[in-house]
Amino acid sequence: SQQGEEDPQALSIQEGENATMNCSYKTSINNLQWYRQNSGRGLVHLILIRSNEREKHSGRLRVTLDTSKKSSSLLITASRAADTASYFCATDDVQGAQKLVFGQGTRLTINP
Amino acid sequence: DTGVSQDPRHKITKRGQNVTFRCDPISEHNRLYWYRQTLGQGPEFLTYFQNEAQLEKSRLLSDRFSAERPKGSFSTLEIQRTEQGDSAMYLCASSFILSEAFFGQGTRLTVV
Repeated sequence: SQQGEEDPQALSIQEGENATMNCSYKTSINNLQWYRQNSGRGLVHLILIRSNEREKHSGRLRVTLDTSKKSSSLLITASRAADTASYFCATDDVQGAQKLVFGQGTRLTINP
Repeated sequence: DTGVSQDPRHKITKRGQNVTFRCDPISEHNRLYWYRQTLGQGPEFLTYFQNEAQLEKSRLLSDRFSAERPKGSFSTLEIQRTEQGDSAMYLCASSFILSEAFFGQGTRLTVV
């Protein structure tokens, strides 16, 4: 079963705008990871945020984590056409075997 | 290239045949994961290893699926008596414990 749920399922914006995607999960975690996947390709690791961190930046990416709400957000600023992809969050489970479990993803489309 | 390598990239097989996929993780990564992904869905956890020990196997997996990681290095995933429902992308990832997981490009299986 999936641990995380991304919201929205699909997002379409104009190039240059900011895109925000959310991820909710159910159990206590050690860390949360965000990935990008272009159609038919493998997953590309974007950023890992640990449970004791609240915010992390990498280039145009900003990730927040709220462990009290069991949620995370991924913000992509100044979007580009090349950002068009599916974005997934993945969490481990502190109490379980710590396997990495993915949500269903957000399909992001950047319109030129 | 020192990333995760999967072989073959594509496999077409007849229903009822056995197939085996190989994954070579990033050197010295002690965790290795297998996932299955169908179109429009997130990666579905199949199994994972820590060194040579198989820590967990999804309850969704039938007995037709088996995975090994001899000597804690490369891993193989075998599907016996393939069915059309096994058609999917099979993804492998590796990581250090509680660290970023990096994915290979996947093996696309088509059962005809």
